[in-house]
Amino acid sequence: DAGITQSPRYKITETGRQVTLMCHQTWSHSYMFWYRQDLGHGLRLIYYSAAADITDKGEVPDGYVVSRSKTENFPLTLESATRSQTSVYFCASSGAVAGDQETQYFGPGTRLLVL
Amino acid sequence: GDSVTQMEGPVTLSEEAFLTINCTYTATGYPSLFWYVQYPGEGLQLLLKATKADDKGSNKGFEATYRKETTSFHLEKGSVQVSDSAVYFCALSDEKLTFGTGTRLTIIP
Repeated sequence: DAGITQSPRYKITETGRQVTLMCHQTWSHSYMFWYRQDLGHGLRLIYYSAAADITDKGEVPDGYVVSRSKTENFPLTLESATRSQTSVYFCASSGAVAGDQETQYFGPGTRLLVL
Repeated sequence: GDSVTQMEGPVTLSEEAFLTINCTYTATGYPSLFWYVQYPGEGLQLLLKATKADDKGSNKGFEATYRKETTSFHLEKGSVQVSDSAVYFCALSDEKLTFGTGTRLTIIP
């Protein structure tokens, strides 16, 4: 089905391990985003990408790495997970529809627990 | 930088009550304004948007008007239903989205 998907939906890992969260969209949207959602903070932007091979930092990029070799995929890697990275992570995309480039469409989220 | 301030929750209302969730913003340019809704266990969905001053966004009985003079975008609904129970986020877009902290709304029958 068309849309934006995230995997895994749930992940438990240990401090110090590397974790990669996957995001895939089928709309050919140019922009993709990664957010984390924490109680009391709303959604905070981690990284975003305007196109393949173009990425930029958001509000809270430390401890995260992204890549975008293909337009449809935007993986987020926690190189050495910490307990403070326990959160719900949302991927979003935007930009394909003329006159509606700003509307972002969100995936279902990945719940990550770092022990 | 840009910021969004929205009504602290949680908000609990009876079915058919009138709803207002306040949202004010600070921005240097002329952003578009959005309300997103998040149902339990799901990602965010666009509820409505407005792209310029005095525009009114509306969807599913919800409305919000872009008020440049008061830098506000308050969400309203005349008669809420149990199915409206969710978390509501106000956001502005000036290349990137900036979100408020969210307001949890619970409607009791």
